[in-house]
Amino acid sequence: DAGVIQSPRHEVTEMGQEVTLRCKPISGHNSLFWYRQTMMRGLELLIYFNNNVPIDDSGMPEDRFSAKMPNASFSTLKIQPSEPRDSAVYFCASTLKVGETQYFGPGTRLLVL
Amino acid sequence: AQSVTQLGSHVSVSEGALVLLRCNYSSSVPPYLFWYVQYPNQGLQLLLKYTSAATLVKGINGFEAEFKKSETSFHLTKPSAHMSDAAEYFCAVSDQGGTYKYIFGTGTRLKVLA
Repeated sequence: DAGVIQSPRHEVTEMGQEVTLRCKPISGHNSLFWYRQTMMRGLELLIYFNNNVPIDDSGMPEDRFSAKMPNASFSTLKIQPSEPRDSAVYFCASTLKVGETQYFGPGTRLLVL
Repeated sequence: AQSVTQLGSHVSVSEGALVLLRCNYSSSVPPYLFWYVQYPNQGLQLLLKYTSAATLVKGINGFEAEFKKSETSFHLTKPSAHMSDAAEYFCAVSDQGGTYKYIFGTGTRLKVLA
C-alpha cells in the first residue's frame, strides 16, 4: 500500500513568493495533520482535519499560512507570502481514527531565500 | 494539559550496549503513548505504541518500552545497539480525553559508536 505522499520533496523559493505544499493521505484515513519541523522549535502541529473539516488550526503561525482539504484524498498547505523564517521541513500525517497511530509522509524541505 | 519530556537531547552508546531513551509524560487522562524514529532526511516511522493494554510494549527493530503509571514514564530500550539504530527518536502522547492531538517531545538523537 502507498503511504502518505507529499510533493514536492524539496522547494527553494524567494521571499515573497507563494508556496504550495501538497499531501495525499493513506486511502481510508479520516484525519490529516500538518506539522513543521525546525531545529529551534522541533515538531509543531500546524493544523489538523477530521473528515475534511479543519478541527484545530491553533498552530498556524499567522495569516500567511492557510490549509485546505477539498476531499478525503488531498490537502494543501499554502504560504503567501513566504519569508526566510518559514524555512523548515513540513510533514503531513494521516490516521485512520484521530488519536490512533499517525503515519507520516517523507516531508517537504522548504528553503526560502 | 498534556506534555512530554525527553531527557537527554543526545545519547551515545557503543555498538552492542544497552540503549535507554527516557520519556516522561503528563496527562490528566489515560494516555496513548508512542515512540517514533526519524532517520536522516526521512519522515517519522512508528516504533511502538501503548494504548492501555499490556504495559510492556514490543516494537520493531528489537525495541521495547514499558509504561509505568506510578513514574509517568515510557522509556524506550533495546538490549544491544546496532549501528543502524543511529537516528532521532521522538516520544509522543495523545490526549484520548480531549483533542486527540499528539504532543511530541523534543527528540533524542542516538549515536552508536563502533
